[in-house]
Amino acid sequence: KQEVTQIPAALSVPEGENLVLNCSFTDSAIYNLQWFRQDPGKGLTSLLLIQSSQREQTSGRLNASLDKSSGRSTLYIAASQPGDSATYLCAVKTSYDKVIFGPGTSLSVIP
Amino acid sequence: KAGVTQTPRYLIKTRGQQVTLSCSPISGHRSVSWYQQTPGQGLQFLFEYFSETQRNKGNFPGRFSGRQFSNSRSEMNVSTLELGDSALYLCASSSRAGSNEQFFGPGTRLTVL
Repeated sequence: KQEVTQIPAALSVPEGENLVLNCSFTDSAIYNLQWFRQDPGKGLTSLLLIQSSQREQTSGRLNASLDKSSGRSTLYIAASQPGDSATYLCAVKTSYDKVIFGPGTSLSVIP
Repeated sequence: KAGVTQTPRYLIKTRGQQVTLSCSPISGHRSVSWYQQTPGQGLQFLFEYFSETQRNKGNFPGRFSGRQFSNSRSEMNVSTLELGDSALYLCASSSRAGSNEQFFGPGTRLTVL
């Protein structure tokens, strides 16, 4: 059974700092992994999608990597800004075509 | 292109009632998935519809059901509401079933009293 965890559960950093969020999954048989951000009480915004055959994806200040063999993905945020404050979730699409979400990392960027 | 829309945005119901939530996917998207989000359980997959057919189902009781129409709009129904059904219900669309990127709506906040 696929399980997805995210470390840390919460993170507080000063503005301008580079940071890394971690996502781990137990079964390497995945189709893809997607990173989202969620603002309080809102829906999810897609940040990056990595297909199982890819190693990383980049969008602006965001870079996501995928290592299927070790069951890990990282989301790197460069030069963090207060507007980056949100909850970040990773989700894996399993070989059974189901999507399993991690519990999220709550990020606060302090001005 | 308009995003995923969900109606209503907020609902208050009492135990034992039933509720229907609606989701309109991005134009041209044929796959719609539903999720339940609660503080205790996080985001959990309910079901996915593609071309009016349920492709996949999560581990929820039969009180949770859904359907998809020919225009790809989808509805989710919960019967005999329980207090534990209070949650944010999120709908996501993608251009096709399978490994494509999902785009989420703003959600419907359901409160069961």
